[in-house]
Amino acid sequence: GQQLNQSPQSMFIQEGEDVSMNCTSSSIFNTWLWYKQEPGEGPVLLIALYKAGELTSNGRLTAQFGITRKDSFLNISASIPSDVGIYFCAGHTGGGNKLTFGTGTQLKVEL
Amino acid sequence: EAGVAQSPRYKIIEKRQSVAFWCNPISGHATLYWYQQILGQGPKLLIQFQNNGVVDDSQLPKDRFSAERLKGVDSTLKIQPAKLEDSAVYLCASRRGLAADEQFFGPGTRLTVL
Repeated sequence: GQQLNQSPQSMFIQEGEDVSMNCTSSSIFNTWLWYKQEPGEGPVLLIALYKAGELTSNGRLTAQFGITRKDSFLNISASIPSDVGIYFCAGHTGGGNKLTFGTGTQLKVEL
Repeated sequence: EAGVAQSPRYKIIEKRQSVAFWCNPISGHATLYWYQQILGQGPKLLIQFQNNGVVDDSQLPKDRFSAERLKGVDSTLKIQPAKLEDSAVYLCASRRGLAADEQFFGPGTRLTVL
């Protein structure tokens, strides 16, 4: 099955830095979602986006639904140690009611 | 509200053995999913149930994988016989309504096939 391409694959940043990651697809999606997964746990939803061009924030997290509907972006401002984890994007088409996940971006934060 | 429950959390078996995983979704959630997550990859959908009926099992390797949700609540996923490449985390998720953001994941079962 298809997996969406995320970049970077991993990043090692210092506490307090801003982080950017993106997700691209060859297909159009009606909804984009961003999840965080920590070791030994399932993915937890961070942000959901429903319209092309939409910009949505959740605390220090900001995500955007790309105009082409084939990409999405996630920014984390002023990173803290608990931001460590793997971030997944997921696209949802609506009709099939299933999610297609990205390959993940692993974030490591240096104190 | 209790989350999605899965058991066991870890399982180690030898190739060609059988294994079963159990999932109890959030109460009232009609839709249940099983995902396979191989190390370093995102979750991949194996099967989707709506109540006790299968909606999508196009990615399920049916020669060795089977799943059921007999009473529209709990579900089991079975692998028989297991192969080395089945080593992965098996995630169960449930969804209340139609919106994508209403899907919640369980903690997963980590399977190691030796």
